[in-house]
Amino acid sequence: RKEVEQDPGPFNVPEGATVAFNCTYSNSASQSFFWYRQDCRKEPKLLMSVYSSGNEDGRFTAQLNRASQYISLLIRDSKLSDSATYLCVVLNDYKLSFGAGTTVTVRA
Amino acid sequence: DGGITQSPKYLFRKEGQNVTLSCEQNLNHDAMYWYRQDPGQGLRLIYYSQIVNDFQKGDIAEGYSVSREKKESFPLTVTSAQKNPTAFYLCASKDRPLPNEKLFFGSGTQLSVL
Repeated sequence: RKEVEQDPGPFNVPEGATVAFNCTYSNSASQSFFWYRQDCRKEPKLLMSVYSSGNEDGRFTAQLNRASQYISLLIRDSKLSDSATYLCVVLNDYKLSFGAGTTVTVRA
Repeated sequence: DGGITQSPKYLFRKEGQNVTLSCEQNLNHDAMYWYRQDPGQGLRLIYYSQIVNDFQKGDIAEGYSVSREKKESFPLTVTSAQKNPTAFYLCASKDRPLPNEKLFFGSGTQLSVL
C-alpha cells in the first residue's frame, strides 16, 4: 500500500463551483500534513499546512481526520487560476511522503 | 531575489552518458534535496544534504551521485547506471533540516533519453 494515495482526477468544474477531494495516508503515526499546488511542469508550491482542528485560507479549507487517516481540501468559488494539480504531503518519521496529485480543471 | 535556480530546464542524455543537473540557492539554507517526479507518481527522494560536505541517500539513490562542496550548490549527476532516467527532477532546500520547515523548490529540469 502506498504511503499517500490520492484520486488523480481530473475534477472538471465550472467557475464558481465548489470542489473537494481527499488524500489517504497509511501511517497512523504521521505527524504533519500539507497541501502543495503544482502547475504543469513547474515546481510545487506550498498551499497550506493542515492542522488538527482544520484550517481555512481564503477560499481554501483543509481538514484532517486522524481516525480515518485522511486529509481533505475544499476549494470554494473556484477560479480559472485554481486549475492545477494538488499534492498531498505527509510527514512520517521526519520524512516527507508525496502523493501523486489530484488534478483540478476549472472551466469558464 | 532569493531563490533556487536549476539548470538546464531541459536536458537530453545519450545512452551510456553521465549528465549533471545544477542546483544553486542563495537563500543561505542548510538543507538541500533532490527529488524525481514521474507521471502518476509522487515525488521520490534521491539524495539530501543537511550540511556542507555531507549528504545521505534517499529512497532511490541508485544510479545517481551528488556533492555538496559549497553551501549554495548541490549538483546531481545521473550516471549511466541509471537505466530509466527520463523524469522531471526537482531540487529543494530548507533553512534548517527540521521536519516542519518550509520546503522551497527550484523550477525543475526535464531529463529525457535520446
